[in-house]
Amino acid sequence: AQKITQTQPGMFVQEKEAVTLDCTYDTSDPSYGLFWYKQPSSGEMIFLIYQGSYDQQNATEGRYSLNFQKARKSANLVISASQLGDSAMYFCAMRERSEYSTLTFGKGTMLLVSP
Amino acid sequence: DADVTQTPRNRITKTGKRIMLECSQTKGHDRMYWYRQDPGLGLRLIYYSFDVKDINKGEISDGYSVSRQAQAKFSLSLESAIPNQTALYFCATSDRTGAETQYFGPGTRLLVL
Repeated sequence: AQKITQTQPGMFVQEKEAVTLDCTYDTSDPSYGLFWYKQPSSGEMIFLIYQGSYDQQNATEGRYSLNFQKARKSANLVISASQLGDSAMYFCAMRERSEYSTLTFGKGTMLLVSP
Repeated sequence: DADVTQTPRNRITKTGKRIMLECSQTKGHDRMYWYRQDPGLGLRLIYYSFDVKDINKGEISDGYSVSRQAQAKFSLSLESAIPNQTALYFCATSDRTGAETQYFGPGTRLLVL
């Protein structure tokens, strides 16, 4: 079974609107972390936001927030007020203590922001 | 200056050649990683190292080897390159505390003919 599932191969959003990118995960480890990365067309991987499994509050970083629903094992990324520069590939990843803290990535969602 | 650097940024080589991809970091992190990215497959872990004397295989280590020359340097070698090793290769580093967030280098685009 896949540990990280991103069911949306592509998403479209208009500039200034909010968009949610889905991520579900599968683990039996009580201690884990969830990450989102952005990969623009230039290719680099940019860290956006982190949520720990024991964190009580949803993580936020500027226009990015993580909608963490532990019981449902979902960690959706919400981008508010989309900008043209948000057009990129977005990857969800998980770190598990039982896996020596290495990262497992989903296959990504391509986001296109239109004017 | 970038915290994690990779050389070369682009490389074209022929089947059977040995090549080395290098990674250096100035973040002072103990942990370093090598990933490859193929279209539609996300990133997959090749090798990781938690300190100079600790090297571990990842999900897809066959056909690759690594060397951790110092805390700040981690090299990936393809002993005999083959066309299906054509990919985008990333080096990453992380601290051992807190979120252990991994920070990535700019990537190396490798084409094996």
